[in-house]
Parts: sequence; C-alpha cells; structure tokens
Amino acid sequence: DAGITQSPRHKVTETGTPVTLRCHQTENHRYMYWYRQDPGHGLRLIHYSYGVKDTDKGEVSDGYSVSRSKTEDFLLTLESATSSQTSVYFCAISEGGRMNTGANVLTFGAGSRLTVL
Amino acid sequence: SQQGEEDPQALSIQEGENATMNCSYKTSINNLQWYRQNSGRGLVHLILIRSNEREKHSGRLRVTLDTSKKSSSLLITASRAADTASYFCATDRGGSEKLVFGKGTKLTVNP
Repeated sequence: DAGITQSPRHKVTETGTPVTLRCHQTENHRYMYWYRQDPGHGLRLIHYSYGVKDTDKGEVSDGYSVSRSKTEDFLLTLESATSSQTSVYFCAISEGGRMNTGANVLTFGAGSRLTVL
Repeated sequence: SQQGEEDPQALSIQEGENATMNCSYKTSINNLQWYRQNSGRGLVHLILIRSNEREKHSGRLRVTLDTSKKSSSLLITASRAADTASYFCATDRGGSEKLVFGKGTKLTVNP
C-alpha cells in the first residue's frame, strides 16, 4: 500500500451523520477512485477523478459526493449516512491507460471499514 | 451491473495442486486484469492481458483470454498455502479509465 493511505481505517457512526473518508497519495497519479466492497457484490465504483476538480460518477454514486482540490487528496463524503452504506471503502490510484501504453493498472489503499448504526 | 463475473465463487484445493478460476464479461474490452486480495487488505495487481493476446505467463500464473467467448481464465500452478486469497478480474469496458471488477473467487489452499 506504499504511496497511498486511507483515513480513518475504521469508523463507527450513526444514521444521519455526515462522514468523510480521505485518500492521500504521494505518487502524483492523475486518476483516483473510490470503490466499495460488500459480500456478494465484489467491488463497485462509486466515483472517480481524472484530475484536480474533475470527477465523474460510477455505478453506485447515489448518496455520495467527492472532491479533489489537490492532486494528492480525494475525499469521499456521505452527507447523511445510512445503514446501507455500511461497507469497506477502497481508494485506488493510477496513471491512466492512455498515459501507460493503454494499461490502466490500479494501486489500492488498505481500505476504510465504515459501520453505520 | 458487474462487467466481470468469476466462477467458481469459492475453491478449496490442496497444496501442490493447480487452481483455475474463470471470468466472463459482457462488452468489448481493451485489457483484462487479475487482482489478488488477501484477507483484510487492499487488492494487488497480478497480471494484465491485452485484447490482442491469447495467453500470458508470469511465474506460476497463466492467463488466457478468449475474446470471442468474452472469457478469461487464471491458472495458478503448484499452489501454496500463501496463495490463499480472493482473486478478481477487472475489465476496462472498451478503453474506459473506469475499471469494473467481478465478484471474485475465494481460493483456499490447504497445507
């Protein structure tokens, strides 16, 4: 997980509270991603960023927002957490396929386990 | 919906045996990748195969790709207890920067 850190690693919160997860990279990679991992669903893309202030939705973006004000930081915010957002959240980074001979290889963080009671 | 679907969902073998996992996908791709996840950790990239390749090797890993059937297989030869992990395929859906992952195969290698 060198070069990419997620915080907090564990968080327990209550329904209706806002939550922000942070992803920090030291690799200067252009692309950053947030995935969630749930039993029976594998990894699903929430949002991703292709540059500072440039973000796009993934397949499960409802209830989540993101921000990227600096190359190194990508924040995932749950405005009002719900029990269905209990999950393990993974951040990933990449240089992107077009910049790397067409192969978009991701490097993942260690994950943030969120429990919403 | 998931782009890649692995099977089997779970696989249990003895040390020294070979492990084969399969991945099917739905749309055209430029690349297909395999990742490994140890329990409680993030995913780690194992190997990538491009759409114009049919087979690729890396150490004890062998990956095949059949674009006509939209399927790939990952073979781990002479498995070890340390290979115990979940394995995921990921596709790029026609060159998109968004990688879509399957649900994974949980491999257990018994000593």
